[in-house]
Amino acid sequence: DTGVSQDPRHKITKRGQNVTFRCDPISEHNRLYWYRQTLGQGPEFLTYFQNEAQLEKSRLLSDRFSAERPKGSFSTLEIQRTEQGDSAMYLCASSPPGQAGYGYTFGSGTRLTVV
Amino acid sequence: DQQVKQNSPSLSVQEGRISILNCDYTNSMFDYFLWYKKYPAEGPTFLISISSIKDKNEDGRFTVFLNKSAKHLSLHIVPSQPGDSAVYFCAAYSSGTYKYIFGTGTRLKVLA
Repeated sequence: DTGVSQDPRHKITKRGQNVTFRCDPISEHNRLYWYRQTLGQGPEFLTYFQNEAQLEKSRLLSDRFSAERPKGSFSTLEIQRTEQGDSAMYLCASSPPGQAGYGYTFGSGTRLTVV
Repeated sequence: DQQVKQNSPSLSVQEGRISILNCDYTNSMFDYFLWYKKYPAEGPTFLISISSIKDKNEDGRFTVFLNKSAKHLSLHIVPSQPGDSAVYFCAAYSSGTYKYIFGTGTRLKVLA
């Protein structure tokens, strides 16, 4: 297993368009996270899955954002009607159960630019 | 409400000297604290962690210190190397929430 994969690495879209990002976690990791990072800030929590169940969503995640993890494997994050404020690095991370002290394994991220 | 704070946005250190990165937190329920390192165009990578029941953890050139009474942790890098130049994030975890809260990061530059 080569780690957490995210696709695409970069996305430029026009304001108002919909975008979808994909994350493939490490296969034995049952927890999957989405974070967003803007310039000069640390990663901000968006949502968390345990297997296929979405257990928590941040207040940062407006109704235009939706995430899924069908069958507890890969996950998608969709942003509808994108706005310039959505421009950020979207990071996916995964972790196995019961290993809080070892943190997450992050992917390389998808950089979204809304023009 | 910033629960994890890194008040120094940047730090420059000469190669071979000690780098000290600081982090403060407000939530006494945090169980674990981690440091991540991030290079441009890459995701953060795990560096070192410490449980709230310890006050020090060491891994090679990296040592993390935790002062629970002050709600403060620090990362010491000795000796610093040019390859250590990156952005460092501290993160805190509370059991039951299953997620890490990150600080805003400190950009470390190690000068050769």
